[in-house]
Amino acid sequence: DSGVTQTPKHLITATGQRVTLRCSPRSGDLSVYWYQQSLDQGLQFLIQYYNGEERAKGNILERFSAQQFPDLHSELNLSSLELGDSALYFCASSVGRGPPEKLFFGSGTQLSVL
Amino acid sequence: QKEVEQDPGPLSVPEGAIVSLNCTYSNSAFQYFMWYRQYSRKGPELLMYTYSSGNKEDGRFTAQVDKSSKYISLFIRDSQPSDSATYLCASTGGGNKLTFGTGTQLKVEL
Repeated sequence: DSGVTQTPKHLITATGQRVTLRCSPRSGDLSVYWYQQSLDQGLQFLIQYYNGEERAKGNILERFSAQQFPDLHSELNLSSLELGDSALYFCASSVGRGPPEKLFFGSGTQLSVL
Repeated sequence: QKEVEQDPGPLSVPEGAIVSLNCTYSNSAFQYFMWYRQYSRKGPELLMYTYSSGNKEDGRFTAQVDKSSKYISLFIRDSQPSDSATYLCASTGGGNKLTFGTGTQLKVEL
């Protein structure tokens, strides 16, 4: 068990809808990272927050947004969903603000857009 | 061209074999190199972490980085069925974006 908690484990929704994925980092970790994993693209970095502030941005679509709350949990919001957004979404946490030498990953949220 | 390239496999070996997993990368700025192991339907788990060139050993696992050829390797000695998983190499240049390879699927057979 990595200590990173992600909910829900599975999410099935329709195109055009909006969903929220939630992540609680390991105790003591201040950074939260979001990754998208698909069969053809592998693990793609979306965004990082450190202690409530956006720290780095990767290949995140404008339809996606994230935030980190004062209690350090994070949410990833996906809107106007398309079929191609179906993927496994991982949250990871680390102690510092970077570079991400040691990331601890949650078990992921499997998103299916029908 | 992807910044980190990895043969997807699958790679199938008998129990007890020495396994060699490899990645190449194109970004000369990469300084930090990691190997993650991912079991089916689970999140990746950090196996090895190295900085710059050289070797690092941890139990049955050895990580090698050759920056001159931009080549990253992971060796697994005395492979076990429990080593069956997907192995992901990853690199970063010191920024906050960790770039992953697409992973090599390994199966260790009895």
